Amino acid sequence: NAGVTQTPKFQVLKTGQSMTLQCAQDMNHEYMSWYRQDPGMGLRLIHYSVGAGITDQGEVPNGYNVSRSTTEDFPLRLLSAAPSQTSVYFCASSKGGTTEAFFGQGTRLTVV
Amino acid sequence: AQSVTQLDSQVPVFEEAPVELRCNYSSSVSVYLFWYVQYPNQGLQLLLKYLSGSTLVKGINGIEAEFNKSQTSFHLRKPSVHISDTAEYFCAVRPQRGGYNKLIFGAGTRLAVHP
Repeated sequence: NAGVTQTPKFQVLKTGQSMTLQCAQDMNHEYMSWYRQDPGMGLRLIHYSVGAGITDQGEVPNGYNVSRSTTEDFPLRLLSAAPSQTSVYFCASSKGGTTEAFFGQGTRLTVV
Repeated sequence: AQSVTQLDSQVPVFEEAPVELRCNYSSSVSVYLFWYVQYPNQGLQLLLKYLSGSTLVKGINGIEAEFNKSQTSFHLRKPSVHISDTAEYFCAVRPQRGGYNKLIFGAGTRLAVHP
């Protein structure tokens, strides 16, 4: 049982480049989210989805796009990378109700 | 809106000593409360959650957390720590209604256990 799988684990981008962080879950969870983790700030919600075809913005959405064409996948796109997007990114999924969120192992992104 | 404050950014402690990690929250709606742990270079793992009922929730290896509604707190305690408990601990809340993936996290508490 793989749970939540994120790829890549590490990435270095140049300012202005674009890329997609991949997230896949095999638990048939409806709810998926992307967070970024920065020192001293905990995790902050970027975008989330309540099901295939439905997404919405979280606390820090600027500079990121998402889509959800299937239940399993929830990619995060950086349109034009900036140094301020250097962070560790986590994808999470949950079944809803009273269940907790399950997290991937994270993607460490550096923008130079 | 919700917010979470973890009162200590770092907690150094000696092995086999007790520890308490403090968490306070603010919310205009009813919330569920969680403690997650993050070991170096890993994702977050759930330690404990408070949904309803008994205000004392217990996990494995003696870990527990107590929900206090009047003080809006959810402090985590462990009676005896080990080197392997060295990690970052996050307190989080989410609305009981409709907030299935809207976790609000505290800034984290880095627990360092020394021999």
